[in-house]
Amino acid sequence: DAGVIQSPRHEVTEMGQEVTLRCKPISGHDYLFWYRQTMMRGLELLIYFNNNVPIDDSGMPEDRFSAKMPNASFSTLKIQPSEPRDSAVYFCASSLWTGGNTIYFGEGSWLTVV
Amino acid sequence: AQSVTQLDSHVSVSEGTPVLLRCNYSSSYSPSLFWYVQHPNKGLQLLLKYTSAATLVKGINGFEAEFKKSETSFHLTKLSAHMSDAAEYFCVVSDRPGGTSYGKLTFGQGTILTVHP
Repeated sequence: DAGVIQSPRHEVTEMGQEVTLRCKPISGHDYLFWYRQTMMRGLELLIYFNNNVPIDDSGMPEDRFSAKMPNASFSTLKIQPSEPRDSAVYFCASSLWTGGNTIYFGEGSWLTVV
Repeated sequence: AQSVTQLDSHVSVSEGTPVLLRCNYSSSYSPSLFWYVQHPNKGLQLLLKYTSAATLVKGINGFEAEFKKSETSFHLTKLSAHMSDAAEYFCVVSDRPGGTSYGKLTFGQGTILTVHP
């Protein structure tokens, strides 16, 4: 299996610009997660979907952040407008609920907002 | 409520010596417990998981962990460290409340393992 695929791997953008991060989960998985990792706050769950439906978005920092999952094989995380404090690594992960909660992470998208 | 505490932010060992990374958890339900490893500039990779079966869990690359309910611990060990083990390790707990198909994961703050030649 190809694993969770994220793009872009690295992005540098200017403050105020729109950023779109993309994720393709493992085929057949019914849960998809977006995490953010920073030195200060560690790993934070931003939002997760079950069968393409957002279940819990309480971790989304503010209205500048939005996430969509139009189908079972694709999700986006959008930041508009971006700010320097959004600089972080954003991970997408997916899982198949057969018991055990094992989730599989992508390689991450390294975002730098200058 | 659930929480996880990794007792050491940094652990340094010599190659060929044992590794011990400590993790304590709290959980209101029967938890699932995981260890993930993150190598520099990489995503998180599952090392092993405990889901109420055998209390001694064997994972990849020679790592294992023992679930001790009385001590609420899930320490990660390896008999002999290798240079390639240098990475950050995360202990993760998941509650599984009755009737809920997904238990929210809580990550520890991570332990950075350094392996000296």
